[in-house]
Amino acid sequence: AQSVSQHNHHVILSEAASLELGCNYSYGGTVNLFWYVQYPGQHLQLLLKYFSGDPLVKGIKGFEAEFIKSKFSFNLRKPSVQWSDTAEYFCAVIRGSTLGRLYFGRGTQLTVWP
Amino acid sequence: EPEVTQTPSHQVTQMGQEVILRCVPISNHLYFYWYRQILGQKVEFLVSFYNNEISEKSEIFDDQFSVERPDGSNFTLKIRSTKLEDSAMYFCASSVKLLNNEQYFGPGTRLTVT
Repeated sequence: AQSVSQHNHHVILSEAASLELGCNYSYGGTVNLFWYVQYPGQHLQLLLKYFSGDPLVKGIKGFEAEFIKSKFSFNLRKPSVQWSDTAEYFCAVIRGSTLGRLYFGRGTQLTVWP
Repeated sequence: EPEVTQTPSHQVTQMGQEVILRCVPISNHLYFYWYRQILGQKVEFLVSFYNNEISEKSEIFDDQFSVERPDGSNFTLKIRSTKLEDSAMYFCASSVKLLNNEQYFGPGTRLTVT
């Protein structure tokens, strides 16, 4: 079935470690790609997005993601995580053929130890 | 910064009862969405709404569900005759456009059906 896959269910890191969260999707054609974050007790917030152009996109709080079309991937990275990055991270895709419907990955819980 | 708001934050209802979940999208947004997340599962699309009509609905959005924009500000999701499996977090979202545009999410309503 077509889907959005996040490879890691739970990632545990120490502060200052580097982060990479994987995301793959299986839809062809035009896509809009997103990473959302949900901090404890808060609502989903947009971290970054890719619509077109430069495949390396920068978001808030030092996060970036790279769109690799040939690999159907949109991995999230941060060179040095902080305790405050503890949250759940969701990769999401809008297919160009649908009317704005977001397809979400299962989410990755990131825990950063101080 | 403008926000999507949702009420109530938590709703407990008995099986077979009707519930109405309320959302106030961001004021200049034209597209409105409902998603849900059953505990431990992915965030799933339910329905999108534009110009007082449903634009797209998922296979989950059956005759038990309906949406309405009763006035210029509210966007509601009605669930008739709730079932145990309707227990979930329900998120409302809004956007200016369908594509090449991000969706802004509300904090969610936790629905518990007993």
